[in-house]
Amino acid sequence: DIQMTQSPSSLSASVGDRVTITCRASQTISTYLNWYLQKPGKAPKLLIYAASNLQSGVPSRFSGSGSGTDFTLTISSLQPEDFATYYCQQSYSTPLTFGGGTKVEIK
Amino acid sequence: EVQLVESGGGLVKPGGSLRLSCAASGFTFNSHNMNWVRQAPGKGLEWVSSISSSSTYIYDADSVKGRFTISRDNTKNSLYLQMNSLRVEDTAVYYCARGEGLTTATPIDYWGQGTLVTVSA
Repeated sequence: DIQMTQSPSSLSASVGDRVTITCRASQTISTYLNWYLQKPGKAPKLLIYAASNLQSGVPSRFSGSGSGTDFTLTISSLQPEDFATYYCQQSYSTPLTFGGGTKVEIK
Repeated sequence: EVQLVESGGGLVKPGGSLRLSCAASGFTFNSHNMNWVRQAPGKGLEWVSSISSSSTYIYDADSVKGRFTISRDNTKNSLYLQMNSLRVEDTAVYYCARGEGLTTATPIDYWGQGTLVTVSA
């Protein structure tokens, strides 16, 4: 099974900050890496697919990069609605696996 | 508008069974692989099972293999999860989730609101 490791597990940031979350796969997954945002009590929402492609309707302040085993989600200027938990997920092979999540909190 | 509406969750005793359903609308159901993903209270996301567009390919997490069965009815635009031999650790919100394409190699692009399954004596 491919293990997905996210870091940090939580972070505190202020509105307007640049935020970076990393995700590492235990083996190469090419660019089969997706990022989701989840707010409390809500279903996850797809932000980035295939490592760097912005899902339709997602603000351009979100961006993704990486290939192979190391990936990054960047929020260029954190907005109030961005405080949530972020998950990476590999779709390279089954079992599909998610990272443990990164909770972004208000500083 | 894509809609996924789960039903069938509830309280069940260990060893019991439940059948979850997911009614899909707003898209061509038989053109997408479908998934069940769960989230235990206060925990992260865990993939449970996937089924290809024509039911040819089915994949299950080891944690549910032999106990849960995913299926779909393309004539009814519906996805199902038959859960048998339920354990306390199966307690979670279960999400019905659409794969963007025909295979599991595509992102999960839409999620239902989830249905809570509680396994407790």
